[in-house]
Amino acid sequence: AQSVTQPDIHITVSEGASLELRCNYSYGATPYLFWYVQSPGQGLQLLLKYFSGDTLVQGIKGFEAEFKRSQSSFNLRKPSVHWSDAAEYFCAVGAGTGRRALTFGSGTRLQVQP
Amino acid sequence: DGGITQSPKYLFRKEGQNVTLSCEQNLNHDAMYWYRQDPGQGLRLIYYSQIVNDFQKGDIAEGYSVSREKKESFPLTVTSAQKNPTAFYLCASSITKTNEQFFGPGTRLTVL
Repeated sequence: AQSVTQPDIHITVSEGASLELRCNYSYGATPYLFWYVQSPGQGLQLLLKYFSGDTLVQGIKGFEAEFKRSQSSFNLRKPSVHWSDAAEYFCAVGAGTGRRALTFGSGTRLQVQP
Repeated sequence: DGGITQSPKYLFRKEGQNVTLSCEQNLNHDAMYWYRQDPGQGLRLIYYSQIVNDFQKGDIAEGYSVSREKKESFPLTVTSAQKNPTAFYLCASSITKTNEQFFGPGTRLTVL
């Protein structure tokens, strides 16, 4: 069965600083990988996704993520954080066609200091 | 404007009562899902449906029931058998081939 680990429960960065959120997955084949963002009391919004091809994927709001098969990782990055990026971020792995739902990590809460 | 709607946004229930949460999508997606979210625990799958008139239990189905009579609709009933129903409930639908999921705004259920 697939699993996702987000080792950082809570991260605080200063506005304008760079950001990296870690995600490690466990899955036997090449997975479908996702990053979602959730503001308090809201649903989840898709930031970016990886299915195949170029291992560096660009998403919305200036985010990017890199798939590293050798490390089973899909870390999310942003070069300069804005105060509006404060939210909870979820990494998820899916197994593709005909399979059940995504498996989500437990999330990383991002706080941005002025 | 395509998307997923959930209603109501806030719901209060007395112990021992069943309550039904609505989820509707106009994205023409075949698959739909219900998740429960508790603080610090991420999202846990309750039920999912990959096609009309068919659904499967997820990881925490006990105390919940669903139906899928129409492609657009996937209502969730929280029954009195659910021991700790206070939570934030999220509905999603997906493109089956990739499992890319689109989420509704959620319903916060509080049991009084």
